[in-house]
Amino acid sequence: GAVVSQHPSWVICKSGTSVKIECRSLDFQATTMFWYRQFPKQSLMLMATSNEGSKATYEQGVEKDKFLINHASLTLSTLTVTSAHPEDSSFYICSASRPVFNQPQHFGDGTRLSIL
Amino acid sequence: DQQVKQNSPSLSVQEGRISILNCDYTNSMFDYFLWYKKYPAEGPTFLISISSIKDKNEDGRFTVFLNKSAKHLSLHIVPSQPGDSAVYFCAASGSDSWGKFQFGAGTQVVVTP
Repeated sequence: GAVVSQHPSWVICKSGTSVKIECRSLDFQATTMFWYRQFPKQSLMLMATSNEGSKATYEQGVEKDKFLINHASLTLSTLTVTSAHPEDSSFYICSASRPVFNQPQHFGDGTRLSIL
Repeated sequence: DQQVKQNSPSLSVQEGRISILNCDYTNSMFDYFLWYKKYPAEGPTFLISISSIKDKNEDGRFTVFLNKSAKHLSLHIVPSQPGDSAVYFCAASGSDSWGKFQFGAGTQVVVTP
Protein backbone atom coordinates (compact mmCIF):
# COMPACT_ATOMS: atom_id res chain seq x y z
CA GLY A 1 0.00 0.00 0.00
CA ALA A 2 0.90 3.65 -0.24
CA VAL A 3 3.48 4.90 2.19
CA VAL A 4 3.20 8.57 1.21
CA SER A 5 -0.13 10.30 0.84
CA GLN A 6 -0.59 13.59 -0.99
CA HIS A 7 -3.68 15.77 -0.98
CA PRO A 8 -5.45 17.18 -2.93
CA SER A 9 -4.88 15.32 -6.17
CA TRP A 10 -6.29 18.08 -8.38
CA VAL A 11 -6.84 21.79 -7.83
CA ILE A 12 -8.36 24.32 -10.19
CA CYS A 13 -8.49 27.89 -8.96
CA LYS A 14 -8.39 31.51 -10.00
CA SER A 15 -5.24 33.53 -10.43
CA GLY A 16 -4.16 35.17 -7.17
CA THR A 17 -5.36 32.33 -4.96
CA SER A 18 -3.01 30.59 -2.55
CA VAL A 19 -3.08 26.81 -2.65
CA LYS A 20 -1.89 24.42 0.05
CA ILE A 21 -0.76 20.87 -0.73
CA GLU A 22 -0.25 18.30 2.01
CA CYS A 23 2.19 15.42 2.05
CA ARG A 24 2.01 12.73 4.73
CA SER A 25 4.24 9.79 5.45
CA LEU A 26 1.88 7.03 6.51
CA ASP A 27 3.90 4.40 8.32
CA PHE A 28 7.18 6.04 9.19
CA GLN A 29 8.52 9.28 10.54
CA ALA A 30 10.21 11.44 7.96
CA THR A 31 12.56 14.13 9.19
CA THR A 32 13.11 15.06 5.58
CA MET A 33 10.65 15.27 2.71
CA PHE A 34 11.16 16.55 -0.80
CA TRP A 35 9.00 18.58 -3.14
CA TYR A 36 9.24 18.16 -6.90
CA ARG A 37 7.61 19.80 -9.85
CA GLN A 38 7.05 18.25 -13.24
CA PHE A 39 6.19 20.00 -16.47
CA PRO A 40 4.61 18.00 -19.29
CA LYS A 41 7.02 15.52 -20.86
CA GLN A 42 9.86 16.70 -18.67
CA SER A 43 11.75 15.29 -15.75
CA LEU A 44 10.96 15.69 -12.09
CA MET A 45 12.61 18.86 -10.87
CA LEU A 46 13.56 19.07 -7.22
CA MET A 47 12.20 22.29 -5.76
CA ALA A 48 13.10 22.07 -2.10
CA THR A 49 14.01 19.88 0.82
CA SER A 50 11.59 20.08 3.71
CA ASN A 51 13.21 19.67 7.11
CA GLU A 52 11.17 18.90 10.20
CA GLY A 53 11.46 21.68 12.73
CA SER A 54 13.63 23.95 10.62
CA LYS A 55 13.58 25.97 7.45
CA ALA A 56 13.30 24.32 4.09
CA THR A 57 16.25 24.28 1.74
CA TYR A 58 15.37 25.58 -1.70
CA GLU A 59 17.05 24.68 -4.98
CA GLN A 60 18.53 27.41 -7.09
CA GLY A 61 15.92 29.38 -8.96
CA VAL A 62 13.01 28.42 -6.72
CA GLU A 63 11.38 31.38 -4.97
CA LYS A 64 11.02 30.61 -1.28
CA ASP A 65 8.43 33.37 -0.81
CA LYS A 66 6.38 31.92 -3.62
CA PHE A 67 6.54 28.31 -2.49
CA LEU A 68 6.16 28.21 1.28
CA ILE A 69 7.08 24.94 2.92
CA ASN A 70 6.17 23.93 6.44
CA HIS A 71 7.26 20.67 8.06
CA ALA A 72 5.66 20.96 11.45
CA SER A 73 5.59 17.28 12.35
CA LEU A 74 7.48 14.12 11.50
CA THR A 75 4.68 12.92 9.24
CA LEU A 76 3.44 16.07 7.54
CA SER A 77 4.93 18.60 5.17
CA THR A 78 2.92 21.25 3.37
CA LEU A 79 3.66 23.27 0.25
CA THR A 80 1.73 26.51 -0.22
CA VAL A 81 1.81 28.14 -3.62
CA THR A 82 1.15 31.77 -2.75
CA SER A 83 -0.73 34.11 -5.07
CA ALA A 84 -0.70 31.49 -7.79
CA HIS A 85 -0.58 32.52 -11.44
CA PRO A 86 -1.10 30.51 -14.63
CA GLU A 87 2.63 29.88 -14.97
CA ASP A 88 2.51 28.03 -11.65
CA SER A 89 0.24 25.43 -13.21
CA SER A 90 2.10 22.15 -12.99
CA PHE A 91 2.23 18.71 -11.41
CA TYR A 92 3.64 18.86 -7.88
CA ILE A 93 4.89 15.71 -6.17
CA CYS A 94 6.29 15.09 -2.74
CA SER A 95 8.48 12.26 -1.55
CA ALA A 96 9.84 10.86 1.67
CA SER A 97 12.09 8.02 2.69
CA ARG A 98 12.64 6.04 5.84
CA PRO A 99 15.46 7.62 7.86
CA VAL A 100 17.94 4.90 6.93
CA PHE A 101 20.87 5.34 4.59
CA ASN A 102 20.33 4.33 0.97
CA GLN A 103 16.60 4.00 1.05
CA PRO A 104 14.45 4.76 -2.00
CA GLN A 105 12.23 7.77 -2.01
CA HIS A 106 8.53 6.96 -1.90
CA PHE A 107 6.35 9.37 -3.79
CA GLY A 108 2.87 10.66 -3.29
CA ASP A 109 0.46 10.51 -6.19
CA GLY A 110 1.02 14.15 -7.00
CA THR A 111 -1.18 17.23 -7.24
CA ARG A 112 -2.28 18.64 -10.57
CA LEU A 113 -2.52 22.40 -10.11
CA SER A 114 -4.35 24.42 -12.75
CA ILE A 115 -4.52 28.19 -12.37
CA LEU A 116 -7.07 29.95 -14.52
CA ASP B 1 23.07 21.13 -15.92
CA GLN B 2 21.51 17.72 -16.42
CA GLN B 3 23.54 15.26 -14.34
CA VAL B 4 21.35 12.28 -15.18
CA LYS B 5 20.43 11.66 -18.78
CA GLN B 6 18.06 9.28 -20.48
CA ASN B 7 18.72 9.83 -24.14
CA SER B 8 15.89 7.71 -25.46
CA PRO B 9 12.56 9.47 -24.97
CA SER B 10 10.61 6.46 -26.10
CA LEU B 11 10.89 2.72 -26.61
CA SER B 12 8.49 0.33 -28.29
CA VAL B 13 8.82 -3.38 -27.61
CA GLN B 14 6.77 -6.43 -28.37
CA GLU B 15 5.13 -8.34 -25.56
CA GLY B 16 7.38 -11.15 -24.32
CA ARG B 17 10.57 -9.52 -25.56
CA ILE B 18 13.21 -7.71 -23.53
CA SER B 19 13.02 -3.99 -22.80
CA ILE B 20 16.36 -2.28 -22.24
CA LEU B 21 16.36 1.25 -20.83
CA ASN B 22 19.56 3.24 -20.57
CA CYS B 23 20.72 5.99 -18.26
CA ASP B 24 23.96 7.97 -18.12
CA TYR B 25 25.26 10.20 -15.36
CA THR B 26 28.06 12.71 -15.06
CA ASN B 27 28.56 13.13 -11.32
CA SER B 28 31.19 10.71 -10.01
CA MET B 29 29.88 11.27 -6.47
CA PHE B 30 26.66 9.42 -7.27
CA ASP B 31 26.66 6.07 -5.51
CA TYR B 32 23.02 5.07 -5.28
CA PHE B 33 20.70 4.63 -8.21
CA LEU B 34 17.01 3.98 -8.56
CA TRP B 35 14.54 3.18 -11.29
CA TYR B 36 10.96 4.38 -11.06
CA LYS B 37 7.88 3.66 -13.12
CA LYS B 38 5.25 6.33 -13.62
CA TYR B 39 1.75 6.30 -15.02
CA PRO B 40 0.05 9.54 -16.09
CA ALA B 41 -1.28 11.70 -13.24
CA GLU B 42 0.29 9.44 -10.62
CA GLY B 43 3.45 9.67 -8.56
CA PRO B 44 6.45 7.52 -9.49
CA THR B 45 6.56 3.99 -8.13
CA PHE B 46 9.86 2.57 -6.97
CA LEU B 47 11.03 -0.42 -9.01
CA ILE B 48 14.58 -1.37 -8.17
CA SER B 49 17.78 0.12 -6.82
CA ILE B 50 21.49 -0.49 -6.97
CA SER B 51 24.38 0.88 -4.96
CA SER B 52 27.83 1.50 -6.35
CA ILE B 53 29.33 -1.48 -4.57
CA LYS B 54 27.41 -3.78 -6.90
CA ASP B 55 27.22 -4.05 -10.66
CA LYS B 56 23.97 -5.96 -10.89
CA ASN B 57 20.74 -6.27 -8.96
CA GLU B 58 17.83 -8.46 -9.89
CA ASP B 59 14.22 -8.49 -8.73
CA GLY B 60 11.86 -10.72 -10.64
CA ARG B 61 11.55 -9.51 -14.21
CA PHE B 62 13.65 -6.42 -13.50
CA THR B 63 17.44 -6.32 -13.54
CA VAL B 64 19.57 -3.22 -13.17
CA PHE B 65 23.16 -3.14 -14.36
CA LEU B 66 25.70 -0.54 -13.28
CA ASN B 67 28.92 0.27 -15.12
CA LYS B 68 30.71 2.74 -12.89
CA SER B 69 33.65 3.33 -15.19
CA ALA B 70 31.28 4.30 -17.99
CA LYS B 71 28.89 6.11 -15.62
CA HIS B 72 26.09 4.12 -17.16
CA LEU B 73 23.23 2.05 -15.86
CA SER B 74 20.54 0.11 -17.58
CA LEU B 75 17.25 -1.52 -16.68
CA HIS B 76 16.26 -4.79 -18.30
CA ILE B 77 12.66 -5.95 -18.22
CA VAL B 78 12.12 -9.49 -19.38
CA PRO B 79 9.66 -10.61 -20.47
CA SER B 80 7.91 -7.33 -21.21
CA GLN B 81 4.19 -7.21 -20.48
CA PRO B 82 1.49 -4.75 -21.61
CA GLY B 83 1.20 -3.49 -18.03
CA ASP B 84 4.82 -2.35 -18.25
CA SER B 85 3.78 0.45 -20.58
CA ALA B 86 4.67 3.59 -18.63
CA VAL B 87 7.35 6.24 -18.28
CA TYR B 88 10.52 5.03 -16.59
CA PHE B 89 12.82 7.38 -14.73
CA CYS B 90 16.30 6.71 -13.48
CA ALA B 91 17.48 8.66 -10.46
CA ALA B 92 20.82 9.07 -8.75
CA SER B 93 22.01 10.26 -5.39
CA GLY B 94 25.35 10.75 -3.72
CA SER B 95 26.48 10.20 -0.15
CA ASP B 96 27.22 13.93 -0.03
CA SER B 97 23.56 14.75 -0.66
CA TRP B 98 21.64 12.05 1.13
CA GLY B 99 18.05 11.68 0.02
CA LYS B 100 18.30 14.23 -2.78
CA PHE B 101 17.90 12.55 -6.13
CA GLN B 102 18.58 13.83 -9.60
CA PHE B 103 16.18 12.43 -12.17
CA GLY B 104 16.57 11.69 -15.84
CA ALA B 105 13.99 12.97 -18.29
CA GLY B 106 12.28 9.61 -18.55
CA THR B 107 11.70 7.01 -21.25
CA GLN B 108 8.20 6.21 -22.44
CA VAL B 109 7.88 2.46 -22.89
CA VAL B 110 5.10 1.01 -24.99
CA VAL B 111 4.65 -2.74 -24.96
CA THR B 112 2.67 -3.96 -27.94
CA PRO B 113 0.74 -7.24 -28.09
